[in-house]
Amino acid sequence: DVKVTQSSRYLVKRTGEKVFLECVQDMDHENMFWYRQDPGLGLRLIYFSYDVKMKEKGDIPEGYSVSREKKERFSLILESASTNQTSMYLCASSLQPPADTQYFGPGTRLTVL
Amino acid sequence: RKEVEQDPGPFNVPEGATVAFNCTYSNSASQSFFWYRQDCRKEPKLLMSVYSSGNEDGRFTAQLNRASQYISLLIRDSKLSDSATYLCVVNRVGYSTLTFGKGTMLLVSP
Repeated sequence: DVKVTQSSRYLVKRTGEKVFLECVQDMDHENMFWYRQDPGLGLRLIYFSYDVKMKEKGDIPEGYSVSREKKERFSLILESASTNQTSMYLCASSLQPPADTQYFGPGTRLTVL
Repeated sequence: RKEVEQDPGPFNVPEGATVAFNCTYSNSASQSFFWYRQDCRKEPKLLMSVYSSGNEDGRFTAQLNRASQYISLLIRDSKLSDSATYLCVVNRVGYSTLTFGKGTMLLVSP
């Protein structure tokens, strides 16, 4: 079974802090994705990556950056956390875009105070 | 028109009932379609892909209507465990990503 893990289930940070969210997949998938999910807005794509050291902006990249130094690991970085970044963050991976199934991690619920 | 639209529900049905959800998509060039299921406070998980000829997996049947640009999910003999939010997912044409609908909530009661 594909396993996607995220570093924290719950995280509380203060405004202005730099925040790192880590995601690791164990199936040698090429593609990895970061989403945020908010009530009434659904899943929105922040960034994605098709290969090591490669990244592409999604629909809402402002305020975020990413890093993919190894194939299995995709990090989401909030350079200076703000209260409007309080959300559920979900990482996913897939073998081949766009038709292949995306497998999600359990999510990180981030609260920025 | 939004890329993927779903009725948010909730759909309240008794155990054993048959329930159907529809989802419309805006781009006629879309090629890949899925239904995902998301339980409360959990991550989305693939329920089934949707094929052009329609497909069935146990109590679940998915249909694609390209002419009208919608996909449907039919659940027969609903179980309490079917209570969840069902996400309609379509590939984004011109981009190698997926677009997720906001979901339809299903509540199955005893």
